[in-house]
Amino acid sequence: DVKVTQSSRYLVKRTGEKVFLECVQDMDHENMFWYRQDPGLGLRLIYFSYDVKMKEKGDIPEGYSVSREKKERFSLILESASTNQTSMYLCASIILGAEGYTFGSGTRLTVV
Amino acid sequence: AQSVTQPDIHITVSEGASLELRCNYSYGATPYLFWYVQSPGQGLQLLLKYFSGDTLVQGIKGFEAEFKRSQSSFNLRKPSVHWSDAAEYFCAVANTGFQKLVFGTGTRLLVSP
Repeated sequence: DVKVTQSSRYLVKRTGEKVFLECVQDMDHENMFWYRQDPGLGLRLIYFSYDVKMKEKGDIPEGYSVSREKKERFSLILESASTNQTSMYLCASIILGAEGYTFGSGTRLTVV
Repeated sequence: AQSVTQPDIHITVSEGASLELRCNYSYGATPYLFWYVQSPGQGLQLLLKYFSGDTLVQGIKGFEAEFKRSQSSFNLRKPSVHWSDAAEYFCAVANTGFQKLVFGTGTRLLVSP
């Protein structure tokens, strides 16, 4: 089975800190994604990447950036964390023609 | 750009009754459509998907969905709901090339005894 691993299950950070959320997939997938999930809003796409060093903004990129230096790793960066970025963050990946997207188990980030 | 609408925020169904969750999408080309389920505190699990071919697709746990291009819909159905089906259900649409997957806001299913 393909695995998408998010490095932390829970994180607590202070306002203004720089925060890194890491995501690693083990199956050579081309496309990787970062979402945030909030009650009543579903999953909203922050950024996605379809190749190394390639990235595209999703629907809510403000306050975030991403890095994809290697195919298997896609990092989400909060340059200066704010309380409104408290949320559940989900990483996903897919290979073209695959059965579906594979999601990580999520990182619940709390910014205080 | 694609979008998904799930018009029902909450639905309550009696155990053993049938279920239909609505999903409408907007996308200019042939869509790739998905239904995911998320139980409390759990990750997302793929129930079923539609890429092409037969418009009635079968998934896991006894779920099925029907793609209706004329109505831009991909509704999820189950003939008899079990208490363990209580969860949140998300419909999603991907563009050609799977480069962007967009979700609806979800429908929370409650199952009454």
